Parts: sequence; structure tokens; C-alpha cells
Amino acid sequence: DQQVKQNSPSLSVQEGRISILNCDYTNSMFDYFLWYKKYPAEGPTFLISISSIKDKNEDGRFTVFLNKSAKHLSLHIVPSQPGDSAVYFCAASTQGGSEKLVFGKGTKLTVNP
Amino acid sequence: NAGVTQTPKFQVLKTGQSMTLQCAQDMNHNSMYWYRQDPGMGLRLIYYSASEGTTDKGEVPDGYNVSRLKKQNFLLGLESAAPSQTSVYFCASSYSKLAVAYEQYFGPGTRLTVT
Repeated sequence: DQQVKQNSPSLSVQEGRISILNCDYTNSMFDYFLWYKKYPAEGPTFLISISSIKDKNEDGRFTVFLNKSAKHLSLHIVPSQPGDSAVYFCAASTQGGSEKLVFGKGTKLTVNP
Repeated sequence: NAGVTQTPKFQVLKTGQSMTLQCAQDMNHNSMYWYRQDPGMGLRLIYYSASEGTTDKGEVPDGYNVSRLKKQNFLLGLESAAPSQTSVYFCASSYSKLAVAYEQYFGPGTRLTVT
């Protein structure tokens, strides 16, 4: 039973355009959500997070939106750059922080020059 | 700061052999974690430790054991390796305050193959 779902295994966008990565979850007890970025042969790196008391969090080119009623979150990257090409993982926790994270399977983003 | 380091980077084991994966962090984090990542899968939590001397099972703990004797080190043991344990293993750590853990920092991973 997959509690965090990233239904798009891959996404390809042009440099300068917006990238939108989606994530759905089934556990209504999740109250903290994170996005991680992973390059090949490296460990994941933290990108941005959002608490369930918010519906938007922004950090530079990265914005995460949370729709609790739909159990859906999305990561927007504007403008997309070739260096953003990586696998993006959505993760969720029930404990208000990042302990015991549940990860999605990831979406591979390719940004074409 | 080295951050989170893992040794070894690569390992090949025969079925039934045992080994210990080592993880160290120099960020004075309270919490540490072990994950495995299989092809087409997200990261799955094997064990975590909220503080020195304490450990707890994650989603896929069977076949593994852990040890957190020092705050900066978290060891993952395979007592009798099986081909199903072929995977990439990631260690992570995070700062915790008032029972809330903040974002996790990951090591570069250990690629383990069991034949």
C-alpha cells in the first residue's frame, strides 16, 4: 500500500519554462511534507518543505503547494535550468518533522537546453 | 564539515556472509537513519535512532540490525546476507528539537551486491 505516490516517473521540460512535479498521499495523518533532489551516484539533498498548517512555501525558484483536501502537493520550479535535471522525491511524515519519512518513488526531471 | 559519510562505497557479498555498513556524521545531529533504495522505488526506512543508545524499526527491518553506541555513528549490520538485500543503502541524520526532527542530510550511499 503506497502512502505517497508520484504517478509520473519522468518529466521533460525546456530550459526557462516551468516544471511542475506532483505528489499525492493517502494518509490523512501526514502533517509535514518535503521534497528531495537526487543526482546519480549521490545521496538525496533536501530542497524544500511545508507544514500542513500552510498551503504554500517558497524558496527562490522553488515553490511547494499543498492542497490538504485533495491530499495533493506539487513542486514548481521557475525558471527551470539544465542543472535541475535530477530525480525528485516527495516525502511525508506524521510527526510534525522529518522523522520516519515515507518517500514516493520519484520523478525524473530532464530540463532540455 | 564532511557531513554524513558512509563506508564502504561498494561491497560484494556472497549469500550467508555478514558485514557492517558504517555511517558517521559531524553535525552533532541527534537523529540518524538507514534507508535502502531499490530500482524504481523510493527510499524505504530500515531503522532509525532518535538519540544515542536508542533505535527503532522502520518499514523494512527484517534481516538487519543496528547499533548507535556513539552520537556520531550509526552502524547497519547484515547477519546473513541474502540476494534480496542487494540495494543501495543511504544513511541520513537530522537535528531534532522538542521531539521535532528537521530535514535529513544524506550520505553518498553504499552499493551492496549479494550473489
